[in-house]
Amino acid sequence: DSGVTQTPKHLITATGQRVTLRCSPRSGDLSVYWYQQSLDQGLQFLIQYYNGEERAKGNILERFSAQQFPDLHSELNLSSLELGDSALYFCASSPNQGAAGNTIYFGEGSWLTVV
Amino acid sequence: LAKTTQPISMDSYEGQEVNITCSHNNIATNDYITWYQQFPSQGPRFIIQGYKTKVTNEVASLFIPADRKSSTLSLPRVSLSDTAVYYCLVGTNYGGSQGNLIFGKGTKLSVKP
Repeated sequence: DSGVTQTPKHLITATGQRVTLRCSPRSGDLSVYWYQQSLDQGLQFLIQYYNGEERAKGNILERFSAQQFPDLHSELNLSSLELGDSALYFCASSPNQGAAGNTIYFGEGSWLTVV
Repeated sequence: LAKTTQPISMDSYEGQEVNITCSHNNIATNDYITWYQQFPSQGPRFIIQGYKTKVTNEVASLFIPADRKSSTLSLPRVSLSDTAVYYCLVGTNYGGSQGNLIFGKGTKLSVKP
């Protein structure tokens, strides 16, 4: 158990809908990261937040957004869902904002199926 | 952003030592080298991290030559449960670098009985 909690574990929704994935980082961790993993794309870095502010941005679509709240939990919002958005979404956390030697700890992921 | 190159797949047998090499020719001075392990449908798990020379923990060893342009993850006496994908990441995520956040294709290790 990494200490990173993600909900829901599984989610099935229709195209065009909007969903929110939730992540609670490890106790004391200030950074939260979101990743998308699909069969054909591998593990894709989406975005990082540190203490409530966006820190780094990867291949995140404009239909997707994220935020980190004062209690440090984070939410990933996916809107106008398409079939291709079906994937496993991972949240990860780390203690700091990414100084040298930083490592990150992953949750078990949220399975999203768009039908 | 230091790019990494790893073998796509490797096969081994139980009880053998497995060495997975990662090339990172344009590694920067501040970059660390981090390895993760991922089982199907699970989040990647940190294995080991190093900057230079050799690092050893209860799970693996990491060998980094003086020029740091490559690194080798060594798994002693693998078992069937070591069958997984292993990722090599290089970077710091410091000063805008995202190297330690970018996962490549990884190396799929298959351990056979």
